[in-house]
Amino acid sequence: QVQLVQSGAEVKKPGASVKVSCKASGYTFIRYTVHWMRQAPGQRLEWMGWINGASGITKYSQEFQDRVTFTRDTSANTASMELRSLKSEDTAIYYCARDVSTPESYGSWFDPWGQGTLVTVSS
Amino acid sequence: DIQMTQSPSSLSASVGDRVTITCRASQSISRYLNWYQQKPGKAPDLLIYSASSLQSGVPSKFSGSGFGTDFTLTISGLQPEDFATYFCQQSYSSPFTFGPGTKVDIK
Repeated sequence: QVQLVQSGAEVKKPGASVKVSCKASGYTFIRYTVHWMRQAPGQRLEWMGWINGASGITKYSQEFQDRVTFTRDTSANTASMELRSLKSEDTAIYYCARDVSTPESYGSWFDPWGQGTLVTVSS
Repeated sequence: DIQMTQSPSSLSASVGDRVTITCRASQSISRYLNWYQQKPGKAPDLLIYSASSLQSGVPSKFSGSGFGTDFTLTISGLQPEDFATYFCQQSYSSPFTFGPGTKVDIK
């Protein structure tokens, strides 16, 4: 079945970087775009951007533009998200998700999602 | 950025009830609106895309409607597995934004 499996929980100090991976299985990785979102405790989901599986082209939310990098390894069917200069406010569950919209359709929608990776930023 | 609001923020319902959740966008988003279900400690699951299209494998008790700024998610015949948080997401323009969620719990 189609699945996205993310790397495990991380604890980081302020100012450090974190890299979260998202391994895809059950579908052709390069045919889809992967989006990244996060959910801080008690907050709504926040969209961070996307990476095209085939081209590697990325689009970042302005909120994270200066601190985030998305990459993908097509040989490993894996997308990754690196967030730098971590602050306590970056403590959240980070999700990857596959964009299953079609060019003929309206917008972007996500299915499935990875199981989430908790990133805790604390001194 | 497009702001998404939902009402109510929570509701209590009984098994078998029909419930309706509303999502409103701060500007017109055409039909670029999706609905997800999230259970505690789990990732979200896609229910409805493009305002009213049912995602494959999702029971027909879930339905969506709306256009422009106002959208609804209806769950007919609430079952124990439906008690969860539901949230909307717009993809009309970047950054894609999510509603705050509506928690549906057992009365």
